[in-house]
Amino acid sequence: QSALTQPASVSGSPGQSITISCTGTRSDVGGYKYVSWYLQHPGKAPKVIIYDVDKRPSGVSNRFSGSKSGNTASLTISGLQAEDEADYYCSSYRSSSTFAVVFGGGTKLTVL
Amino acid sequence: EVQLVESGGGLIQPGGSLRLSCAASGFTVSSNYMSWVRQAPGKGLEWVSIIYSGGSTYYADSVKGRFTISRDNSKSTLYLQMNTLRAEDTAVYYCARMDYTSPTYFDYWGQGTLVTVSS
Repeated sequence: QSALTQPASVSGSPGQSITISCTGTRSDVGGYKYVSWYLQHPGKAPKVIIYDVDKRPSGVSNRFSGSKSGNTASLTISGLQAEDEADYYCSSYRSSSTFAVVFGGGTKLTVL
Repeated sequence: EVQLVESGGGLIQPGGSLRLSCAASGFTVSSNYMSWVRQAPGKGLEWVSIIYSGGSTYYADSVKGRFTISRDNSKSTLYLQMNTLRAEDTAVYYCARMDYTSPTYFDYWGQGTLVTVSS
C-alpha cells in the first residue's frame, strides 16, 4: 500500500485533457508545497515534469500543469499526445523526525 | 552534461550483502544532495536513502539499520551498502540528484541497476 493514493489508470484521446489526482494527508501533501510529478516510460528512469506543486523544469512542455487543494494534488495534461502514454507518479515531502519522501502508487495513462 | 551510471546489481541470496555504485559526471557529488530510489518489479517508486552535501544521512524505515549510503568525493561516486538482504528488497535501484531547494525534486536519474534477492 503506497503512502499517496493515485488512480490506477486513466485514459484519454489525442487532443483531450486529463487529470490525475494524488491524495495524501496533512502530514505530507496538505502540509507542504513540496509535491512533484514524474513520468516513466517502460524500462526507463523517471523524469520530473512538475515540482513544488506547480513549477515546470526547464524544457518540460507547458501542456503539463500541477495544482493542489487541501490534501490532494493534481496533474493535468492538456492536448494529449501519443507520447504522453506512460506511468505517472506523484511524490511529497512528509513530516517526520528525519527526512522522508513518499510516492504514490502510480497511474497508467493510456492514450486511446 | 550531467550523467549518473549505476552498477553493482545482481542476484544475491537472502541474508547476503551487496554494494551498489553510482558514478556521477558533469557535477560534483559532494556539493549535492544524492538519493537512492527503488522500484520493485511492476510496482511503484520507493525512496530509500539520502546523503546531504554536509554528510548527513537518512533512510526509509524499511531499510534503516540494514543499508548505508556513502560517497567517495575523489571518485565522484555514490554508494549504497545493502546488508541482510530480503526478498522484498528485490528492485531496480536508481540513484538520483535532489535539488537542495526542494526535497522531492529529483532532477537527474541514472538508468538503474537490478537487484534480485532469491535463493
